[in-house]
Formats: sequence, structure tokens, C-alpha cells
Amino acid sequence: GIQVEQSPPDLILQEGANSTLRCNFSDSVNNLQWFHQNPWGQLINLFYIPSGTKQNGRLSATTVATERYSLLYISSSQTTDSGVYFCAVSGWGYQKVTFGIGTKLQVIP
Amino acid sequence: NAGVTQTPKFQVLKTGQSMTLQCAQDMNHNSMYWYRQDPGMGLRLIYYSASEGTTDKGEVPNGYNVSRLNKREFSLRLESAAPSQTSVYFCASSELQGATNEKLFFGSGTQLSVL
Repeated sequence: GIQVEQSPPDLILQEGANSTLRCNFSDSVNNLQWFHQNPWGQLINLFYIPSGTKQNGRLSATTVATERYSLLYISSSQTTDSGVYFCAVSGWGYQKVTFGIGTKLQVIP
Repeated sequence: NAGVTQTPKFQVLKTGQSMTLQCAQDMNHNSMYWYRQDPGMGLRLIYYSASEGTTDKGEVPNGYNVSRLNKREFSLRLESAAPSQTSVYFCASSELQGATNEKLFFGSGTQLSVL
């Protein structure tokens, strides 16, 4: 199956700073999603982005499918951005979704 | 519109006991999933049901059984709980497993401890 690597594993930011999270995957994908797991454990779908760029407020994501990576940008970070960010992909041919092990983000005031 | 609802939220079992985790979705999704989350390992797929009437093994199915009761409900059963099954369990649903535009929606999780 597809291998998913996320970096960095841990990140500590001062409130107001910007950050970039990376997701590398080992094969071509027909689906890529970014999730945020808040400190209470709830998983929220941030983006569905198998290719191209999307923006939602302070968050944006870019996937370069031909080079097999995706980036999640967080601008002007807030303490509510803390949690774990997961990248999840699935390959062509009705394959199942595979998750990376996540990037743990802590935003300090 | 509650989305994906899981019960219970917390459970403590003794080794060898059995229990069933319940999951229901009200989004008319075809596909449903059970994941487990362990520290440092992300989410791993236990079982999934691509459509009503079908179930398939995921990455870590040993020690679990599932039932797709109807289109809305998908349950996960531990027949004889073991300490290695201590984990947080998530149910998820999507319109259609493997589809290009598939988006996963998650329940709030069940924290299970097996002593």
C-alpha cells in the first residue's frame, strides 16, 4: 500500500507565527485529505485536495501530485490551532485511505 | 443532523470480557469504517464496509468482528478483550469508499481500556 510520511513530527510555535507542514506519499493518489485532531480528540476534515491549491481562512493547502507531496500552511497561528494534523491518502483503484502518523502542533501564547 | 455518533465514549474492560461499540451516521453515506488510534501510530483501519451488506478487513482486524446492521449502523465487537486492544476507537463514514471525491467524517471516539 501507499506509504505516508509527515514532517515535522512535532512543532512548537509562538502565537502569530506561520508554519508549513509537509506530507510525502509513495505513489500516485486519487484522494488526499488533511485533518485536524483537536486536544479533545475530535477529528475535523480541513481539506480535500488531491491536487492544486485551496484556502480556508488562515489555512491553505497545496498538493503537487506529480512530485508526491502536499503542504499545509497555517498563518498567524492561534492557540486553537493546537493539536495533531494528519494527512490521509488513497490510491487509484478504490484503495482504502491510509493515514500518516501526524504532526503535533503546540501554539503557545 | 448529528453526523457520526459513537457510543460509548469511555469503557473499561477486564481481560476476556466482550463488548460492542456502536456507530451510526445520518448522512446517508454508503461506506463506514472503524479505526484505532495508538500513540505514535496514527490511525489504523480495523474493518470497513464499502456498502450495506459488505464488510472487509483492514490493516489490523485480528481480535475484532463487525456487523453492518443497515445503511446507518456499523458495530465493532471485541469477543475477548486483551490489553493490546487498549486504544481510542473511531468510527467514520464517507459517501463511497475509494471514490475520487471521498471525504471521511469521524465520530468523537471511544476511549477503551482493557485491564
